[in-house]
Amino acid sequence: DTAVSQTPKYLVTQMGNDKSIKCEQNLGHDTMYWYKQDSKKFLKIMFSYNNKELIINETVPNRFSPKSPDKAHLNLHINSLELGDSAVYFCASSQETGVGYTFGSGTRLTVV
Amino acid sequence: RKEVEQDPGPFNVPEGATVAFNCTYSNSASQSFFWYRQDCRKEPKLLMSVYSSGNEDGRFTAQLNRASQYISLLIRDSKLSDSATYLCVEDTGRRALTFGSGTRLQVQP
Repeated sequence: DTAVSQTPKYLVTQMGNDKSIKCEQNLGHDTMYWYKQDSKKFLKIMFSYNNKELIINETVPNRFSPKSPDKAHLNLHINSLELGDSAVYFCASSQETGVGYTFGSGTRLTVV
Repeated sequence: RKEVEQDPGPFNVPEGATVAFNCTYSNSASQSFFWYRQDCRKEPKLLMSVYSSGNEDGRFTAQLNRASQYISLLIRDSKLSDSATYLCVEDTGRRALTFGSGTRLQVQP
C-alpha cells in the first residue's frame, strides 16, 4: 500500500485551463503539505494543513486553492494555468508539524 | 540570502571514495535538521536526522556545528547506488521544513 499517493502522476494542459491534483495518505498523520519543485530543483512550501485546518499559506497566487476534506486528503486546485506553473508538485505528510516527512511520488505538471 | 545553502555540485567520485557535503543555514534558532536523498525524477526520501552529538548510520555520518551554523554529511566507501541529489533540510519552527536546493553526487565505476 502506498503511504502517500498523488494523482495524476503526469499532467499536460493548455494555458488558461483549470486542473486539480489529489493527495491521500494512509499513515494516520495529522499534517499534510504541498511543495513545488521548480526546474532548478528547489523545493518550496506552498501550503500546510493540520487536521483539516490551514496553517501555512505562503506567497502563492490565489489561483492556487488547497482543500482538505479530511485529515487524510489534501487536494490542490489551480485556476487559469500559466506557463510558469510548470513544475513538479509534491504532497507530503508528517505526524507532527515540522518533523520528517513522507512524500508522494509527485505530479509533473506541464503547461503548454 | 537563502535560508539553507548547498553547493549544487556535481561531485564526481570513484566507487569506494569518501565524500563530504556541507550545508549552511541562517536561522540560529533552528532546532532540527535532516538530510534527504532524491533520485532523478523521484520524491525526496528521509536519509537521516542530524543531531548535535552527531549521527551515524552505516556508511553515512551527519554532523551539526551550531557555532558555525553548518551541517555535514559524510559518505564512506561510496557505492554506485549512492548517486543521487542530497538535500539539506532545516526545521526553523515555522511549521514546515525548509529545503536546500541539493548537492548532486555521481559515483563512477
